Amino acid sequence: EPEVTQTPSHQVTQMGQEVILRCVPISNHLYFYWYRQILGQKVEFLVSFYNNEISEKSEIFDDQFSVERPDGSNFTLKIRSTKLEDSAMYFCASSALYSDTQYFGPGTRLTVL
Amino acid sequence: QKEVEQNSGPLSVPEGAIASLNCTYSDRVSQSFFWYRQYSGKSPELIMSIYSNGDKEDGRFTAQLNKASQYVSLLIRDSQPSDSATYLCALGDSGGYQKVTFGTGTKLQVIP
Repeated sequence: EPEVTQTPSHQVTQMGQEVILRCVPISNHLYFYWYRQILGQKVEFLVSFYNNEISEKSEIFDDQFSVERPDGSNFTLKIRSTKLEDSAMYFCASSALYSDTQYFGPGTRLTVL
Repeated sequence: QKEVEQNSGPLSVPEGAIASLNCTYSDRVSQSFFWYRQYSGKSPELIMSIYSNGDKEDGRFTAQLNKASQYVSLLIRDSQPSDSATYLCALGDSGGYQKVTFGTGTKLQVIP
């Protein structure tokens, strides 16, 4: 069964460093999303992406965040200058055309020291 | 701002019993309603979606939606220890590329 994959599974970084989290959505999906979940808290929407542009973003997704689909398979989330409060699990998700069923990847645990 | 409210639990039920999970939401515009299951340290997994008032059954799971009361519930029949997880209620916007707004989840423990 096709699945969303994410790398790395765990990323440790120093405060102020840039990180790039990578995702490979399901191949025929057209909508892509990033969510995050701080430990013990709810899953929060960050951004949705369609047709090579951001379709919606949350208040969390400020200028420190950016997303990109650099080729036909990868979807990345970049955090330019990480803060301690960026420590969380980051989930990528994708969905097919005309479908609201989002399939989540296994997540990347980001730890900012 | 959409709000999704769930009792955090834990909800403990004996094996074989019916587990009843409840959720209320604040936004009357929401069109899509979802239940996700999340095991500890894992990603959310969609188990049910419901769009219209009434009940929707899928195997041991039944989702119930009441838009007038802004209430969604999930019943799990014949609960198994493997059902022990956090159940996330979620709302979707209308439209194709919609964000999903999650509740904090209810932790379910099925006691063998």
